[in-house]
Amino acid sequence: QKEVEQNSGPLSVPEGAIASLNCTYSDRGSQSFFWYRQYSGKSPELIMFIYSNGDKEDGRFTAQLNKASQYVSLLIRDSQPSDSATYLCAVNIFSGGYQKVTFGIGTKLQVIP
Amino acid sequence: DTEVTQTPKHLVMGMTNKKSLKCEQHMGHRAMYWYKQKAKKPPELMFVYSYEKLSINESVPSRFSPECPNSSLLNLHLHALQPEDSALYLCASSHTSGTGDSPLHFGNGTRLTVT
Repeated sequence: QKEVEQNSGPLSVPEGAIASLNCTYSDRGSQSFFWYRQYSGKSPELIMFIYSNGDKEDGRFTAQLNKASQYVSLLIRDSQPSDSATYLCAVNIFSGGYQKVTFGIGTKLQVIP
Repeated sequence: DTEVTQTPKHLVMGMTNKKSLKCEQHMGHRAMYWYKQKAKKPPELMFVYSYEKLSINESVPSRFSPECPNSSLLNLHLHALQPEDSALYLCASSHTSGTGDSPLHFGNGTRLTVT
């Protein structure tokens, strides 16, 4: 079983729709969860992080965490063509002064104008 | 603009060359990381430094040699690389707190090609 699982996509949504990206993880000791956006050939850019059960909203983005189900999701409202990218789910275990972050394979999102 | 700066942006080197990748951050972070990313793959952890000491080496071949001269700088020395080492090399930094709200901040990466 992979530590962090994501559907690689592509996930295609029309402009203005809600994009829903999902991620599951295997280690119940995981403490915090990050969503990174990565454009082709570029480095990952932090979108959201969450470490408590429930929802966290930031502008058009909402992260959802359910530790009992070991499930993390990212909702993107009013999707724009500029949101087209690969979205990496990352799971973190803090250990002795550093973050041990493991990434999923990423979901490729395509927003169709 | 990223607050983690990596140089060079691109590097082409032969298998017998010695080169270094450099990373600098001024965010006050005391943990720094090297990741390697191949095309269409997620970033893979190589090394972690915490308070300038090597904390993790993910069984990386010795042709990759990390160095952390001070709390702001991280180097990756390269020697006798193979073509399969061609990848995007990412530096990241973070706080060392364990409160769960300390994500990794990435630099723009170095695109390495080994010929």
